[in-house]
Amino acid sequence: EDQVTQSPEALRLQEGESSSLNCSYTVSGLRGLFWYRQDPGKGPEFLFTLYSAGEEKEKERLKATLTKKESFLHITAPKPEDSATYLCALTQGGSEKLVFGKGMKLTVNP
Amino acid sequence: DAGVIQSPRHEVTEMGQEVTLRCKPISGHNSLFWYRQTMMRGLELLIYFNNNVPIDDSGMPEDRFSAKMPNASFSTLKIQPSEPRDSAVYFCASQRLAVNQPQHFGDGTRLSIL
Repeated sequence: EDQVTQSPEALRLQEGESSSLNCSYTVSGLRGLFWYRQDPGKGPEFLFTLYSAGEEKEKERLKATLTKKESFLHITAPKPEDSATYLCALTQGGSEKLVFGKGMKLTVNP
Repeated sequence: DAGVIQSPRHEVTEMGQEVTLRCKPISGHNSLFWYRQTMMRGLELLIYFNNNVPIDDSGMPEDRFSAKMPNASFSTLKIQPSEPRDSAVYFCASQRLAVNQPQHFGDGTRLSIL
């Protein structure tokens, strides 16, 4: 059973069309919930870390939120340069190990 | 600032050959991680080190895989002998070992075993 599930697997948006990406998790003892962006041929690039339910963080057109069972990455008025794969990951307990979801490929058309 | 540096960026070799992947972490980071990314399984942790000491190697697929970190600025991941199913993108990441610090990734080595 996957511990981190992302949905949808892929999403196509028109420029300016806001949407949300979902990351649900089943682990207990969540220590941190991480969002990364990955461009083709590149390594994941860190975006946000969330630690407790109710926490929110923002960066430009992105806002990440966290509840006890899931996290959302809200994209407001996206631009074509926001096209990438967005990865959700978590740490639990005393380990530094990141457990990743399968990712969500976002395409923003001009 | 220099990020995590991995070499080579691409490696194509024949089954049975030894493969060595290299990683230089960000200066001052004292945790280092090796991940493997495939279409089927996504990103999976293979092994990680704190202060050059292996902490969790439960993700290493089998004895053909080994990793070393002889000093704070260099690590290797070795596959011997290599098999076609080892084909994947291998990422190295580093982290400052402190509360709530994120991992920073290199751009990976794309490995193809023929």
